[in-house]
Amino acid sequence: GENVEQHPSTLSVQEGDSAVIKCTYSDSASNYFPWYKQELGKGPQLIIDIRSNVGEKKDQRIAVTLNKTAKHFSLHITETQPEDSAVYFCAASNFGNEKLTFGTGTRLTIIP
Amino acid sequence: DGGITQSPKYLFRKEGQNVTLSCEQNLNHDAMYWYRQDPGQGLRLIYYSQIVNDFQKGDIAEGYSVSREKKESFPLTVTSAQKNPTAFYLCASGLGVTNTGELFFGEGSRLTVL
Repeated sequence: GENVEQHPSTLSVQEGDSAVIKCTYSDSASNYFPWYKQELGKGPQLIIDIRSNVGEKKDQRIAVTLNKTAKHFSLHITETQPEDSAVYFCAASNFGNEKLTFGTGTRLTIIP
Repeated sequence: DGGITQSPKYLFRKEGQNVTLSCEQNLNHDAMYWYRQDPGQGLRLIYYSQIVNDFQKGDIAEGYSVSREKKESFPLTVTSAQKNPTAFYLCASGLGVTNTGELFFGEGSRLTVL
């Protein structure tokens, strides 16, 4: 089955700086890669996703890049703000398969 | 408001007791999921259901059971056979991966077995 590894497990950045979280996946059939943000005491919420037919997708301050050859994808957050502090999860699935496999999460802390 | 409601938010049980966690959605989603969240292990899939009266095992189904008698409801029972039941449990729903693939999560239920 699919295996998703996520790094780093914790990340602290100064407010205004950029943050990058990286994930690798094992199943070459995976073609859907979402990122979820989990705030304290809440369930995860989708913030951005990418499918394997594109290499990059951007939404305001967040962007995701995908390298299918190397089987890795990354989340980039620019101009970080205190409200970006949360746990971020990457995930992967084969779009024809109901099973979404999650990474182990990155706790991002923005230092004011 | 549309969304997913999980209850209870916190639950304490003695070892050996079965416990049922409730999950209700009013989003008219066909697919529903149960995940378990442990520190440092991410979210692991327990069971999922794509349609009423049908469900499939996920990666860690042992010691758990589910039912899907109504589209809106997908309760999870943690049985006494689950060796390490203390965890944070998340329910989610979605249109199904044939659509957007997005999952909508509830706020979770934290189960502590004493």
